[in-house]
Amino acid sequence: SQQGEEDPQALSIQEGENATMNCSYKTSINNLQWYRQNSGRGLVHLILIRSNEREKHSGRLRVTLDTSKKSSSLLITASRAADTASYFCAMPNTGNQFYFGTGTSLTVIP
Amino acid sequence: DTGVSQDPRHKITKRGQNVTFRCDPISEHNRLYWYRQTLGQGPEFLTYFQNEAQLEKSRLLSDRFSAERPKGSFSTLEIQRTEQGDSAMYLCASSIWTGGDQPQHFGDGTRLSIL
Repeated sequence: SQQGEEDPQALSIQEGENATMNCSYKTSINNLQWYRQNSGRGLVHLILIRSNEREKHSGRLRVTLDTSKKSSSLLITASRAADTASYFCAMPNTGNQFYFGTGTSLTVIP
Repeated sequence: DTGVSQDPRHKITKRGQNVTFRCDPISEHNRLYWYRQTLGQGPEFLTYFQNEAQLEKSRLLSDRFSAERPKGSFSTLEIQRTEQGDSAMYLCASSIWTGGDQPQHFGDGTRLSIL
């Protein structure tokens, strides 16, 4: 079944540094989405990249997609303490189910 | 507040009891999803509705689980004869269906603890 796997599982950086997390998946996709989840809260959509796109930007976020390697990366530049959260990649399958990855737990130290 | 709301936020119950959760999606959204999330894991798909029709159910959804979305508005998820393994966060999300490339909007979930 389609399921993303994020790497690393946990990441700790200093405020102001960049954070990069990766997502690998198994089968072909139409699009891939990234979500953030603060502790005890629901997920918040960050950015969507379609299969015919290679890179997309939104504010301090940069997402890349390499369909040949079945992987995506999320870069957060100039991190802030408020970026501390878990980050998940998600992709819909042909049956319109959404599969979420295992998540990367990001800690930004002030 | 026009976001997705879930009720209750927390539920503690004894094993064997029945529980019911409610989700109110964003009003114009025709798709509604239920997920289960355990600690340290990503959300696992349970089921989804398009309007009032339940279109797909995961194999995770045993016979003890049932979901409804009467009139295509709010949805309920019921778990009968709860077991220890049902302890989790139950998340609801909604979206506008336009071919699979729309983001999902999540509620803050119902955390279920089975004693």
